[in-house]
Amino acid sequence: NAGVTQTPKFRILKIGQSMTLQCAQDMNHNYMYWYRQDPGMGLKLIYYSVGAGITDKGEVPNGYNVSRSTTEDFPLRLELAAPSQTSVYFCASRDIAGKETQYFGPGTRLLVL
Amino acid sequence: GENVEQHPSTLSVQEGDSAVIKCTYSDSASNYFPWYKQELGKGPQLIIDIRSNVGEKKDQRIAVTLNKTAKHFSLHITETQPEDSAVYFCAASRNNAGNMLTFGGGTRLMVKP
Repeated sequence: NAGVTQTPKFRILKIGQSMTLQCAQDMNHNYMYWYRQDPGMGLKLIYYSVGAGITDKGEVPNGYNVSRSTTEDFPLRLELAAPSQTSVYFCASRDIAGKETQYFGPGTRLLVL
Repeated sequence: GENVEQHPSTLSVQEGDSAVIKCTYSDSASNYFPWYKQELGKGPQLIIDIRSNVGEKKDQRIAVTLNKTAKHFSLHITETQPEDSAVYFCAASRNNAGNMLTFGGGTRLMVKP
């Protein structure tokens, strides 16, 4: 199993550009999450999904959108990138309710200039 | 919502010494408390977790204690080794729709050989 994979590893965006951060998991996990981690800070939840077709907002959803058309994939879309979105983005997945362990991907470092 | 505070933000110990990291949480309904280790350039990895019906849990050199009354929990690492150097995050969650984790701000642990 590859676990949770994320692409790209690093990206530079200009202000106002858009991009999609890709996340995939091969563990057949129902739950998936997107976090951002600003320098020297903890992780903050952006969006999460409890299954294909179901998504909901986390703590910091503004400026982002997600979709979950399959169990495996959970892309994060940035529209009109702003410098405040410069961060490291982590995707995570978790099995069914009752199994709380979240498994994290390696992260995508995003720089908005 | 839940608020998790973590102390200290940095901790330097000599190899072989013990290290203790403390977290407090605000939501008395939180019932799951994991600890994650994040090495440079990687995603967080679960090292130990504890549920609210347990006061202490140990796994080799790592232990976690939970005081529900005081709403705080701690990570204890004994006989520290240079490879324990990393950033450690505590988190808390409750049984809600997505079992969302709220993370502390992180502790950078440095183990000096």
